[in-house]
Amino acid sequence: RKEVEQDPGPFNVPEGATVAFNCTYSNSASQSFFWYRQDCRKEPKLLMSVYSSGNEDGRFTAQLNRASQYISLLIRDSKLSDSATYLCVVTSNSNSGYALNFGKGTSLLVTP
Amino acid sequence: SQTIHQWPATLVQPVGSPLSLECTVEGTSNPNLYWYRQAAGRGLQLLFYSVGIGQISSEVPQNLSASRPQDRQFILSSKKLLLSDSGFYLCAWSTTYEQYFGPGTRLTVT
Repeated sequence: RKEVEQDPGPFNVPEGATVAFNCTYSNSASQSFFWYRQDCRKEPKLLMSVYSSGNEDGRFTAQLNRASQYISLLIRDSKLSDSATYLCVVTSNSNSGYALNFGKGTSLLVTP
Repeated sequence: SQTIHQWPATLVQPVGSPLSLECTVEGTSNPNLYWYRQAAGRGLQLLFYSVGIGQISSEVPQNLSASRPQDRQFILSSKKLLLSDSGFYLCAWSTTYEQYFGPGTRLTVT
């Protein structure tokens, strides 16, 4: 079983729509969780950390369910500029100094 | 504020040639440094990480090597490139779990 699994998509949504991405992870000892955004041919950029109580940053809401080992990202009122690949990231099971495990990403395309 | 630089941005090299990619970080001290590779259509693969000068750990057996000659400098090298070494090489830094990536080097081995 892969350590971090995401639906690759693509998710094609119209502007203004609400879209949700899900992610599951296998390491129950993972302590930190993140969503990164990666534009085509660019480096990943930290979008937001995911806290146990859930957290919101503008149009973005992240939630964590430790019991189900499940993370979600909700984007409200989608903008054209939200088109990107969204990477689910959890802490690694190895001893590699804060190393992270990245999912392969979910592709989002927001259309006019 | 912290910034991370990588160069070159793109590179085309023949099979069997050497490689040297450089990464430098500004605005932070004693960061953890990482090298990742992202092959076409695949996720990020951690290659090396370093918690201090001269301290390198390898995550995956490769024909690649890494060095950290200075606190904020991380170098990825190879003596002889393989076709399978093509990909997008990303350097990242962290002081906790949140990692910040450089702009990357896109390597094509021909």
